[in-house]
Amino acid sequence: EAGVAQSPRYKIIEKRQSVAFWCNPISGHATLYWYQQILGQGPKLLIQFQNNGVVDDSQLPKDRFSAERLKGVDSTLKIQPAKLEDSAVYLCASSHWDRGDTGELFFGEGSRLTVL
Amino acid sequence: AQSVAQPEDQVNVAEGNPLTVKCTYSVSGNPYLFWYVQYPNRGLQFLLKYITGDNLVKGSYGFEAEFNKSQTSFHLKKPSALVSDSALYFCAVRPLSGGYQKVTFGTGTKLQVIP
Repeated sequence: EAGVAQSPRYKIIEKRQSVAFWCNPISGHATLYWYQQILGQGPKLLIQFQNNGVVDDSQLPKDRFSAERLKGVDSTLKIQPAKLEDSAVYLCASSHWDRGDTGELFFGEGSRLTVL
Repeated sequence: AQSVAQPEDQVNVAEGNPLTVKCTYSVSGNPYLFWYVQYPNRGLQFLLKYITGDNLVKGSYGFEAEFNKSQTSFHLKKPSALVSDSALYFCAVRPLSGGYQKVTFGTGTKLQVIP
């Protein structure tokens, strides 16, 4: 079974530029998550999709971050314009989500963003 | 609001010795509890989970965790540490019931196994 795919693995941009990250979840997983992991901290949920609907985006800085999940499969996370404090690893994860599911998450390798 | 506390930023243990990585949680109602491991420049990997039943849960790579409801703890343990266990460990919690069920992670504990 293929895992969660993310790209790019590494990205360096200057502040005020834009960047986009792509995620392809495990086939059949209805739920997709984007987490931000700043060095030395635990993952922080940015947005959670159930199929192609948003379940939680309460911690997404909506003035600069946006995310979409078209057709309930792939997802893209965009930052525009980037700030220095956006330097982090952006982790995509997916899981089954139904009444019987215990909800362990399957993570991709992450996309490391450096904002200069 | 739910939360997870991992009180130790780093745990050092000699190879072959038992290890414990501590985790306490706060959640409304009964919890699902998880441990994940993260190796350098990699994503998080699922280790084990507690749902219900036996308080001692066994997982991957010889790890186990003990659920203690009265102390709201879910400590990760291994009887004999390996150098290859050196990594970052995250505890996570989500509510057992309810509609939307958010997963909250702790800040992580770096485990260093010394040869």
